[in-house]
Amino acid sequence: GAVVSQHPSWVICKSGTSVKIECRSLDFQATTMFWYRQFPKQSLMLMATSNEGSKATYEQGVEKDKFLINHASLTLSTLTVTSAHPEDSSFYICSASLPLGSGAKNIQYFGAGTRLSVL
Amino acid sequence: AQKVTQAQTEISVVEKEDVTLDCVYETRDTTYYLFWYKQPPSGELVFLIRRNSFDEQNEISGRYSWNFQKSTSSFNFTITASQVVDSAVYFCALSEAGVTTDSWGKLQFGAGTQVVVTP
Repeated sequence: GAVVSQHPSWVICKSGTSVKIECRSLDFQATTMFWYRQFPKQSLMLMATSNEGSKATYEQGVEKDKFLINHASLTLSTLTVTSAHPEDSSFYICSASLPLGSGAKNIQYFGAGTRLSVL
Repeated sequence: AQKVTQAQTEISVVEKEDVTLDCVYETRDTTYYLFWYKQPPSGELVFLIRRNSFDEQNEISGRYSWNFQKSTSSFNFTITASQVVDSAVYFCALSEAGVTTDSWGKLQFGAGTQVVVTP
């Protein structure tokens, strides 16, 4: 199956600092990547859809200026949590889907997630 | 409105017992995809199976099987002869084709079912 790498797996930062999380598709080109947030014992909440070469589409209630998404290449999308605060502490997961026309259309392959702790 | 419902919060079984996970979905699209993902304690979501709305054939893949019934909007998942390594949270998810919505490609997750398999 397709492999998605997410880095870092764990980050601790001070309140007010910014944190960048990378999501890479290692063996395929992903025109679309997705960013999710997951609180303990809860389901995944879609934050935004990241499209290569264009602006990300954010879900309702997600602050665009707070969660900056950049999808500069077909294999890399980044999520930057700006001016992080303790309430931003969560598990962030990215996913990537294979291009249209592939036999695995619509299947999202997930990274291992990033656990963010803001002190 | 919640579109994917997993009513079972947690299921505990003894090794070698079968486990059936329930999933009920709601959509107005005639074309859609249903998925099951597994999230072990490590956090990474693992793709298990996908079914499209035009294929109600139920199949068995190793110890996994699924029962897709459009008439009841259900997509249940069974693990046969469970093992301790099957302990994880299992998510059912829906991806709509976007004919009646703008949600093409997005995954809508259920709340998840925690499966605990004890030796």
